[in-house]
Amino acid sequence: GAGVSQTPSNKVTEKGKYVELRCDPISGHTALYWYRQSLGQGPEFLIYFQGTGAADDSGLPNDRFFAVRPEGSVSTLKIQRTERGDSAVYLCASSLEGATNTGELFFGEGSRLTVL
Amino acid sequence: GDSVTQMEGPVTLSEEAFLTINCTYTATGYPSLFWYVQYPGEGLQLLLKATKADDKGSNKGFEATYRKETTSFHLEKGSVQVSDSAVYFCALSDLSGAGSYQLTFGKGTKLSVIP
Repeated sequence: GAGVSQTPSNKVTEKGKYVELRCDPISGHTALYWYRQSLGQGPEFLIYFQGTGAADDSGLPNDRFFAVRPEGSVSTLKIQRTERGDSAVYLCASSLEGATNTGELFFGEGSRLTVL
Repeated sequence: GDSVTQMEGPVTLSEEAFLTINCTYTATGYPSLFWYVQYPGEGLQLLLKATKADDKGSNKGFEATYRKETTSFHLEKGSVQVSDSAVYFCALSDLSGAGSYQLTFGKGTKLSVIP
């Protein structure tokens, strides 16, 4: 498809388990973002990649969260020792321009994570 | 830090009614302003944007004007349709301390349009 693809669309796990969420951005988009959307809230920034490197990870809540983008395309958000408070929809977005002020990000439909 | 405040929903309107969704912001720099929309079962998508004061963004009959003096970017549409039913997010883009541009979103306003 032509859009941002995220898998899985839904993930239910138990407290303490490890989770990986995958994002496949639009082909050719150099910038990739992860956001988290809790119930009743707007998306909150987690991390931004320009190419393979994390240019800004200031939004990651703690060291249980980590993200990689080894080849500059697909990205994986990794959450260790999940907690119930991690339950949210994790959104991935990509853009062509990178760190610019246009703000036109192309979002995937998100991965809904539920931690029991 | 930067923040966006938008009117709480849900908002329910009859078809062809006039729509206003209020949005105000706080930012340290000179942000660009956006409205994103999320239709049921779909991802967020950009509706319109304005990059400097007094700019008007418009798309699909929606409009919003960047008002620096009131730090506002209210969304309006003259005649809503059932197909406009969605969640609307106001957002700003500003240069972060880490040197990258980030989008800061409001909480979203759910709009339901009834025939």
